[in-house]
Amino acid sequence: GQQLNQSPQSMFIQEGEDVSMNCTSSSIFNTWLWYKQEPGEGPVLLIALYKAGELTSNGRLTAQFGITRKDSFLNISASIPSDVGIYFCAGREETSGSRLTFGEGTQLTVNP
Amino acid sequence: DAGITQSPRHKVTETGTPVTLRCHQTENHRYMYWYRQDPGHGLRLIHYSYGVKDTDKGEVSDGYSVSRSKTEDFLLTLESATSSQTSVYFCAIRISLDKNYGYTFGSGTRLTVV
Repeated sequence: GQQLNQSPQSMFIQEGEDVSMNCTSSSIFNTWLWYKQEPGEGPVLLIALYKAGELTSNGRLTAQFGITRKDSFLNISASIPSDVGIYFCAGREETSGSRLTFGEGTQLTVNP
Repeated sequence: DAGITQSPRHKVTETGTPVTLRCHQTENHRYMYWYRQDPGHGLRLIHYSYGVKDTDKGEVSDGYSVSRSKTEDFLLTLESATSSQTSVYFCAIRISLDKNYGYTFGSGTRLTVV
C-alpha cells in the first residue's frame, strides 16, 4: 500500500529551538493531518490541511500542504519540554475514500 | 472529547485463543477504524466501517475480523491469536471539522500474545 516517508525519525533539541519535520508521498494527497502522540495515549490531532499551498497555525505549530500535493511540513517554534512526543503525519489519497495512511513518526526529545 | 473509549486497555492472552477488542463511541459517527501500531511501522489500518454492518479491509487485515451491529460499537476479533499480533491497537472515528473532517483516536489497547 501507499507509504509516507516521514523525516527525521528522531530529533534531540534544546529548549527554545525551532523544529522542522516533513512527510513525502509518491501519490497525490487531498488531505494532510499532523498528530502528536504521548506515551500510553492515542494520537491527538494538531493540524488539518485540505488545500494545496495551505499554511495553518496552531499556537507555536505551523503546517503547510505542499504545492505538489505530495508533501507536508510541520514546524514547531520555540520548543518547550512538553513538546516531547511522537509526531505523525497522515494523508488521504483521492482514491482511498476515507482511509488514512500514516508516516512512521518523528520522535522529538527536548532537553531543558 | 469525541467520546471514544476502548476496552480492555491491556490484555495478555495465549497463542491460539480468540480475542475481541471493543471500541465504543457516543456521538453517532458513521465511520470507525481499527489500526495497529508497531515500532518502525507507524499506524496501519486493519479494518474500517462506514456504517452498521458495512465494513471493509485495510492494509493488514489477515487474521482479523470485525463487526458493527450498531452505530456505537465496532468490534475487532482475533480468531486465533498469534505472537505477531502483539501490538497496540487503536480505534478511530471520523469527525467533522470546520472545513472538512478529521480523525479522533481512542487511548489504545495493548495486547500481548504469549
